[in-house]
Amino acid sequence: GDSVTQMEGPVTLSEEAFLTINCTYTATGYPSLFWYVQYPGEGLQLLLKATKADDKGSNKGFEATYRKETTSFHLEKGSVQVSDSAVYFCALSARNTDKLIFGTGTRLQVFP
Amino acid sequence: NAGVTQTPKFRVLKTGQSMTLLCAQDMNHEYMYWYRQDPGMGLRLIHYSVGEGTTAKGEVPDGYNVSRLKKQNFLLGLESAAPSQTSVYFCASRPQTEPFWGRTFGSGTRLTVV
Repeated sequence: GDSVTQMEGPVTLSEEAFLTINCTYTATGYPSLFWYVQYPGEGLQLLLKATKADDKGSNKGFEATYRKETTSFHLEKGSVQVSDSAVYFCALSARNTDKLIFGTGTRLQVFP
Repeated sequence: NAGVTQTPKFRVLKTGQSMTLLCAQDMNHEYMYWYRQDPGMGLRLIHYSVGEGTTAKGEVPDGYNVSRLKKQNFLLGLESAAPSQTSVYFCASRPQTEPFWGRTFGSGTRLTVV
């Protein structure tokens, strides 16, 4: 079945460092791909999305590109801030379905 | 404040006890969902509802029951709690007319069964 694999955390960075969180997926057809973020004490929020191959989703300085050839959707940010400390979830949804399949989440800790 | 509110935020149960988790949304959303989050696993769908009076099973429904008597509330019940139900539970909702990825999540209920 469809699945999402994320790198294990925690990822610990200093402020202004470059961030990459890896995400790969297994799915039939052409799924839509998402990154959700969960800040401490809050629910998940959609961070960015890409609905077809080669699409780049971006928001709040974060980017991820839908790579069909490598079945990947890695999250990147050029310069992280302390306020980016959160848990990040990669997710997919098969075309035209309501079902979201989540990865295990990666905790990011950014220190001043 | 508009959003999804989960009650309670924390709870400790003894094995065999029952309880109900409440999810309330004030955004007039048609769709509501219950997920559980366990260490080393992503969120998994327990049950969902596409409207008042309707419910459906998700990926891991065993040991849970749900009800959607009012549009704004989605209740998750554990009739006889087991240690395997120790988890963080998230509720989410979305309007029928919005893309399925645009769900609003609550902040979670941390349940421990001892």
